Amino acid sequence: AQTVTQSQPEMSVQEAETVTLSCTYDTSESDYYLFWYKQPPSRQMILVIRQEAYKQQNATENRFSVNFQKAAKSFSLKISDSQLGDAAMYFCAMNRDDKIIFGKGTRLHILP
Amino acid sequence: DTAVSQTPKYLVTQMGNDKSIKCEQNLGHDTMYWYKQDSKKFLKIMFSYNNKELIINETVPNRFSPKSPDKAHLNLHINSLELGDSAVYFCASSQDLSSGGTDTQYFGPGTRLTVL
Repeated sequence: AQTVTQSQPEMSVQEAETVTLSCTYDTSESDYYLFWYKQPPSRQMILVIRQEAYKQQNATENRFSVNFQKAAKSFSLKISDSQLGDAAMYFCAMNRDDKIIFGKGTRLHILP
Repeated sequence: DTAVSQTPKYLVTQMGNDKSIKCEQNLGHDTMYWYKQDSKKFLKIMFSYNNKELIINETVPNRFSPKSPDKAHLNLHINSLELGDSAVYFCASSQDLSSGGTDTQYFGPGTRLTVL
C-alpha cells in the first residue's frame, strides 16, 4: 500500500514567486527520514532536501525549505524565488524498513 | 565524476528478447538498488543488494534477475521481455543499509526500456 501521498499532480508558479508542494505520509515508526527528489527532463533523480524525523528544526537548502509537521505527518516543500531551472517532477519520499517509498510526484511548471 | 552511471540510457527491443542494464557507482557505497518507474511516474523498488548479497527482493517476475559481481556494480538482466516491462529503470546506491536505510540514495540517470 502506498504510504506517501502527493495530492497535487501538477502545479504552476510564476518565475520569482514562491510555491509549496504538499506531501503526507503514513508510518508507525518514530524515527525515519523524509526526502524531496527532483527529476528534470533529463530523468536524473536529484536529492533536493532531507529531513530527519527526530529533528524539530525544518531543513533548508538555499531556496528550498520544508515545513515538517510530525504529528500531522506532513512534509511540504517550499521553493522561494522560483527559477526556470526548477521546472521538473518532484518526488516526496520516506524511508521505511530497508527501503525508500516514493510518492507519485508533482510536476512543477515555471511560468516566465 | 559521475557518481552512479547506467548503460544504456535507451534500450529498444522486441518482445521475447533477453537484455541487460548495467549500473556502476563510484561512491564507495555498500548498498545498491533497482527501481522501476512506470508511465505514471510512480517509483517502485525491485531489488536491493548490500555488499553483493541480496537484501530486498520485491515481488517482481523471476524473469528479472539482478547480478552483483562486486559492490560497485549491480546489473539487471531481463529474460523474455514483455510489453509491460516498458518503463524507466533507475539504479541507486547508498552508504549503509544496516543503519536502517536512512542514508540518502543517489540515483543514476535512468534507462528507458521500450519493448515492441
